[in-house]
Amino acid sequence: GENVEQHPSTLSVQEGDSAVIKCTYSDSASNYFPWYKQELGKRPQLIIDIRSNVGEKKDQRIAVTLNKTAKHFSLHITETQPEDSAVYFCAASMRRDDKIIFGKGTRLHILP
Amino acid sequence: DTAVSQTPKYLVTQMGNDKSIKCEQNLGHDTMYWYKQDSKKFLKIMFSYNNKELIINETVPNRFSPKSPDKAHLNLHINSLELGDSAVYFCASSQGLAGVYEQYFGPGTRLTVT
Repeated sequence: GENVEQHPSTLSVQEGDSAVIKCTYSDSASNYFPWYKQELGKRPQLIIDIRSNVGEKKDQRIAVTLNKTAKHFSLHITETQPEDSAVYFCAASMRRDDKIIFGKGTRLHILP
Repeated sequence: DTAVSQTPKYLVTQMGNDKSIKCEQNLGHDTMYWYKQDSKKFLKIMFSYNNKELIINETVPNRFSPKSPDKAHLNLHINSLELGDSAVYFCASSQGLAGVYEQYFGPGTRLTVT
């Protein structure tokens, strides 16, 4: 089955700097890669997703890149703000499956 | 206008007891899920239902029994609770296949077994 590895487990960046979180997946049939943000005590919420027919996707300060050959994808947050502090999860799924496999999460701290 | 709701929000109980968690979605979605998030924040799927039919059962002990009375509701009953069952349980729903559509999570139920 699919396995998703996520790094780093913890990341601290100065406010205004960029943050990058990286994930790898094992099953080359995976074709959907969502990213979820979970604030303390709250539910996970989708922030951006990318499908395997696209190499990059942007939404304001957030971007995701996908390298299908290497089977890795990354989340980039630019101009980080205090409200970006949260746990971020990458995930991978195949169209034929009814489940997504989550990475173990990255706790992002934005330092003042 | 809550999209996915769960009750209760907190549940404290003793080992050996039986408890239930309820989930409802008003999004008109066909698919619902239960996830377990442990103390290390690892999110792991337990079950998924599509139009009241069980689709996924991820090697969860049979003490856990999901029930879907209709496609808007997915409840989770847990028998003979153990210390290791302590976690946050999230219900989620999506319009269809998880590999195609966004999943919407409920607020979670924090279960503490003492």
